[in-house]
Amino acid sequence: DIQMTQSPSSVSASVGDRVTITCRASQDISTWLAWYQQKPGTAPKLLIYAASSLQSGVPSRYSGSGSGTDFTLTISSLQPEDFATYYCQQANSLPLTFGGGTKVEIK
Amino acid sequence: EVQLVQSGAEVKKPGESLKISCKGSGYSFTNYWIGWVRQMPGKGLEWMGIIYPGDSDTRYSPSFQGQVTISADKSISTAYLQWSSLKASDTAMYYCARRSATTEWFDPWGQGTLVTVSS
Repeated sequence: DIQMTQSPSSVSASVGDRVTITCRASQDISTWLAWYQQKPGTAPKLLIYAASSLQSGVPSRYSGSGSGTDFTLTISSLQPEDFATYYCQQANSLPLTFGGGTKVEIK
Repeated sequence: EVQLVQSGAEVKKPGESLKISCKGSGYSFTNYWIGWVRQMPGKGLEWMGIIYPGDSDTRYSPSFQGQVTISADKSISTAYLQWSSLKASDTAMYYCARRSATTEWFDPWGQGTLVTVSS
């Protein structure tokens, strides 16, 4: 199985801050990576697919980059509605696997 | 609008059986894989398996193979996740989600079904 490691596990930030979350795969997954946002009590929501493609309707302050084993999700200017937990997911091979999550909290 | 609507919360005792559902609407149900994801209380996401309703081709995560059964009834656009004998450790939120047309990411997701197993 491909292991996905996210860091940090949590980050405290203020509205307007730039936030960066990283995700590392245990083997080369090319750009077969997705990012999801999950708010408390709700289902995950797809933000980014193919490492850097923005899902329809997702604000442009979100961006993704990377290929191979190292990937990044960036929120360019944090908004109040962005406080949530973010997960990466490899889509290279079955079984699909998720990172452990990064909780973005209010400073 | 593409939508997945899951069945309601369940409270069961250890050893009981259970089948939860996920009904798709707003798209051709038979043409998209449906996946199931577990989220234990306070924990992250775990992929359980996936089914293609068109022909019921099913793939399981090794972690869940033999522990659950995934099925689908294309005549009513519904996918299922079932247990024959629940354990306390099956207590979790379970989500279904539609796989993209071409590869293994998921959108949209159902609202989740909370399963509580307690004596």
